[in-house]
Amino acid sequence: KAGVTQTPRYLIKTRGQQVTLSCSPISGHRSVSWYQQTPGQGLQFLFEYFSETQRNKGNFPGRFSGRQFSNSRSEMNVSTLELGDSALYLCASSLLAGSPLHFGNGTRLTVT
Amino acid sequence: DQQVKQNSPSLSVQEGRISILNCDYTNSMFDYFLWYKKYPAEGPTFLISISSIKDKNEDGRFTVFLNKSAKHLSLHIVPSQPGDSAVYFCAASAGAAGNKLTFGGGTRVLVKP
Repeated sequence: KAGVTQTPRYLIKTRGQQVTLSCSPISGHRSVSWYQQTPGQGLQFLFEYFSETQRNKGNFPGRFSGRQFSNSRSEMNVSTLELGDSALYLCASSLLAGSPLHFGNGTRLTVT
Repeated sequence: DQQVKQNSPSLSVQEGRISILNCDYTNSMFDYFLWYKKYPAEGPTFLISISSIKDKNEDGRFTVFLNKSAKHLSLHIVPSQPGDSAVYFCAASAGAAGNKLTFGGGTRVLVKP
């Protein structure tokens, strides 16, 4: 079974631009979550989608948004990029609420 | 406010010996706890979990202990192997929050041959 796939692996953007990251969950998994990892703040929850509906949201500004499609694939978007948005963005999927999350290898975003 | 804390940023252990990683939490609503291992340039890999109705869960070389009264959990790896060298994260969730995990800051483990 293929794991969680995230594209692209690396991305360099300029301040003020916007970016879209993509995630394909493990086949059959309907829950997709997004996390941000930075050296200063560690791993922080962004949001979770289940059956195309946002089920949970972390404490991030409205510039961070996401969506989930009917095939469970998910995208997250960051608008008006800031230098502090430079991070590793991780997507994770799970079969059910309360079952372990399985992570992709992340998208490394650098904002210059 | 750090709700999940791993107070040891690093741990060095000899191959074949036991590695003990510790994690403390403050939110009494947490009822599900997990440990993840992370290698550089890869996403975290799930190791083992425990629900708050248990105080111990074992899977091969990995055992997690939960002390609810102390709000403390630990991961024991026996015996430690060089391939265990990685960063280990503990994470917690509250039932109502579904898959929203709160992570600790991580402990870097180095297993020396």
